Amino acid sequence: DIQMTQSPSSLSASVGDRVTITCRASQSISSYLNWYQQKPGKAPKLLIYAASSLQSGVPSRFSGSGSGTDFTLTISSLQPEDFATYYCQQSYSTPPDTFGPGTKVDIK
Amino acid sequence: EVQLVQSGAEVKKPGESLKISCKGSGYSFTSYWIGWVRQMPGKGLEWMGIIYPGDSDTRYSPSFQGQVTISADKSISTAYLQWSSLKASDTAMYYCARRVRVGIVATTGENYYYYMDVWGKGTTVTVSS
Repeated sequence: DIQMTQSPSSLSASVGDRVTITCRASQSISSYLNWYQQKPGKAPKLLIYAASSLQSGVPSRFSGSGSGTDFTLTISSLQPEDFATYYCQQSYSTPPDTFGPGTKVDIK
Repeated sequence: EVQLVQSGAEVKKPGESLKISCKGSGYSFTSYWIGWVRQMPGKGLEWMGIIYPGDSDTRYSPSFQGQVTISADKSISTAYLQWSSLKASDTAMYYCARRVRVGIVATTGENYYYYMDVWGKGTTVTVSS
């Protein structure tokens, strides 16, 4: 199986900050990388698919980049509703479509 | 509106069996894979497996193969996740999600990408003696 790692595991940031989360795959996955947001007690929500394609309805402050083994999710200006846990997921080698361990973004 | 509606919370004893459900509406249920994802208390997301209701083709994560059974009844647009003998370690939230395939044209041709775009609200399963 392909293993996914994320860094940092958690971060504290303020409203308006630019936030960057990194996801790394144990082998090349081309652009087969998705990002999800999960708030406490809620189901995950798709943000980005195919590494950089913004899901319909997701604010443009979210962006994704990368290919191969290294990927980034960027929030250009953190909003109060963005405090959540973010997961990457690979769909290059399936099954399984492995998730990363998550990055928790909380308020500084 | 595309929706996945999951069955309600369950409290079971170790050794008991259980089948939880996920009913799709607002789209062609037989044309998309349905996936199941586990989230243990305070932990991350774990991909369990998927089923294609059109022909019941099923794929499992090696971590869950033999531990659970995924099935579907396309006549009622419902997917299922079942256990024959629950353990305390099965205590978790279980989500179903629609798995979409999208083709994106690149210079090298068309590539197909998979992602989970619509999720159910989750079913809490508690296994305790």
